[in-house]
Amino acid sequence: ELKVEQNPLFLSMQEGKNYTIYCNYSTTSDRLYWYRQDPGKSLESLFVLLSNGAVKQEGRLMASLDTKARLSTLHITAAVHDLSATYFCAARPNTGNQFYFGTGTSLTVIP
Amino acid sequence: NAGVTQTPKFQVLKTGQSMTLQCAQDMNHEYMSWYRQDPGMGLRLIHYSVGAGITDQGEVPNGYNVSRSTTEDFPLRLLSAAPSQTSVYFCASSYSGGRWSPLHFGNGTRLTVT
Repeated sequence: ELKVEQNPLFLSMQEGKNYTIYCNYSTTSDRLYWYRQDPGKSLESLFVLLSNGAVKQEGRLMASLDTKARLSTLHITAAVHDLSATYFCAARPNTGNQFYFGTGTSLTVIP
Repeated sequence: NAGVTQTPKFQVLKTGQSMTLQCAQDMNHEYMSWYRQDPGMGLRLIHYSVGAGITDQGEVPNGYNVSRSTTEDFPLRLLSAAPSQTSVYFCASSYSGGRWSPLHFGNGTRLTVT
């Protein structure tokens, strides 16, 4: 079974600052996904990363994947209040269809 | 474009009662799954299916049953509800044939067992 760990669990940051959320996973995988969840809502897909060195960017968010280190990062640049949400990473083993999720990072951006 | 539809949105059960959470998708996805979300635990996989007639257990299957008689539907049955099953349940689906396909989530069912 694939284990996924995220850190930090909680992140409070000021507007305009940069920060990185880390996602480690336990077994070989080259399929890594990031999701966003607003309070009381469902999960929305942000990024799909499918190979070593993959980098995807959307607005102030940038995700990357290092399959050798079994590590993905979600970098936030110049945070704004609208980015406040919980962010989840999920990995799929190279054989199999299941998605395994991390515990999530609750991000609060303070004006 | 309905996507993944879950019903009901909210449910309160007494201990020992049974119920079925409904999930339907209209995207012709082969892969469907059920997760429960609890504070501090992330999303934990209960059961999943890779196609009609095929189901398998996830990380936390005890107390839940599933079936997949059609591609579209994947109901989750609670056989005898327990307070430990109080949670938010999400159904999600994905296209199995492409590695690029993320999970598409329903809006969730908030279940309270008293």
